[in-house]
Amino acid sequence: NAGVMQNPRHLVRRRGQEARLRCSPMKGHSHVYWYRQLPEEGLKFMVYLQKENIIDESGMPKERFSAEFPKEGPSILRIQQVVRGDSAAYFCASSPLGQGKNIQYFGAGTRLSVL
Amino acid sequence: DAKTTQPNSMESNEEEPVHLPCNHSTISGTDYIHWYRQLPSQGPEYVIHGLTSNVNNRMASLAIAEDRKSSTLILHRATLRDAAVYYCILRPTSGTYKYIFGTGTRLKVLA
Repeated sequence: NAGVMQNPRHLVRRRGQEARLRCSPMKGHSHVYWYRQLPEEGLKFMVYLQKENIIDESGMPKERFSAEFPKEGPSILRIQQVVRGDSAAYFCASSPLGQGKNIQYFGAGTRLSVL
Repeated sequence: DAKTTQPNSMESNEEEPVHLPCNHSTISGTDYIHWYRQLPSQGPEYVIHGLTSNVNNRMASLAIAEDRKSSTLILHRATLRDAAVYYCILRPTSGTYKYIFGTGTRLKVLA
């Protein structure tokens, strides 16, 4: 059973460009979470999605950031007009159910560098 | 969101047991206690979780205080591969189940 797959692993963008980060959850998982980790810090929750629905986006910056999890295909985290402060590692996690005891399985992350 | 407090760093000698503490004095009755670890340049890896009773698995043991205001992750024999940042997280059983990560404990294992 393949784990959570994120691509690309590394992404370099110039200021003002768009970044698209993809996450394929584990097979059978319908819940996806995105987290951001700045250098030397812990992970910060961004958004929680189920298929075709955004359940909790309380951690998403108000502008330039969006996320989707379509019926078919991977979840996408999109950052428009990137700035240097967006440089970070972005992790996706999936779980089969949203209940408290179920654990989240994390991908290896996408490391975004903004020049 | 309930908060956890962990020491910033700890050291252990290889082959010796390690006890990683976590305080969570504002834990609610239905919050699960989850532990993850993050090796350099990798995503967090699940270690163990529990609610009230102590738990054991092949990776570690979790000791939960009777009042649930603290817990301890126990690595029975530390190896160099256990060097990582260990996060203690409270996961609610209602709401959106998002993880609130603290700064974790950076474990250094000495050969």
